[in-house]
Amino acid sequence: EVQLVESGGGLVQPGRSLRLSCVASGVTFHHYAMHWVRQRPGKGLEWVSGISWNSGSLGYADSVKGRFTISRDNAKNSVYLEMNSLRGEDMAFYYCAKDSQGGLFGSGWIDSWGQGNLVIVSS
Amino acid sequence: IQMTQSPSSLAASVGDRVTITCRASQSVYSYLNWYQHEPGKAPKLLIYTTSSLQNGVPSRFSGSGSGADYTLTISSLQPEDFATYYCHQSYDPPFSFGQGTKLEIK
Repeated sequence: EVQLVESGGGLVQPGRSLRLSCVASGVTFHHYAMHWVRQRPGKGLEWVSGISWNSGSLGYADSVKGRFTISRDNAKNSVYLEMNSLRGEDMAFYYCAKDSQGGLFGSGWIDSWGQGNLVIVSS
Repeated sequence: IQMTQSPSSLAASVGDRVTITCRASQSVYSYLNWYQHEPGKAPKLLIYTTSSLQNGVPSRFSGSGSGADYTLTISSLQPEDFATYYCHQSYDPPFSFGQGTKLEIK
């Protein structure tokens, strides 16, 4: 069974940075693309970023482009989201999610999700 | 690609047949997936690439559509089905979601 466990969330001031981590188990991690999806308070799901199996393809939502950076370490079965210049509208539950395929543009789908990690942006 | 779901909320009874629609701003070439989300839980994949049922998902869930228009149907609502449902296109990044349909008990 695939397990995805996020960490690194918490309270951060506007303009500061935070790094989310996600560790995967029960899966051959380096075979699959990975994503970050968020849910702001009272809102729906929003795709944030994705990375292909070999980090060769990266994608970002317009709302985070230039501020967030996704990366992965296949040796550690981990994917990361570096979030800089945080804003109030970035406050959300952030979910780590696994793709069904390795390529980011290979038209797979998200088939597994973590439980989510809360990021609070407030002074 | 903008994804528009309807309705935004729906009140129904156990045993009802329910249909949720999702319209994309352009064709997503059947790369349309459906998720169920309950508060405090991880979202759950129900249907992928329009009509393929994820392993372990009850057969009362089904999907159809093509081009830019898709539907999720629950043939006979069960108590555990009251949740929020999202469509999601995985054709072209950014991989957008619909705004969600909250299914409530009538």
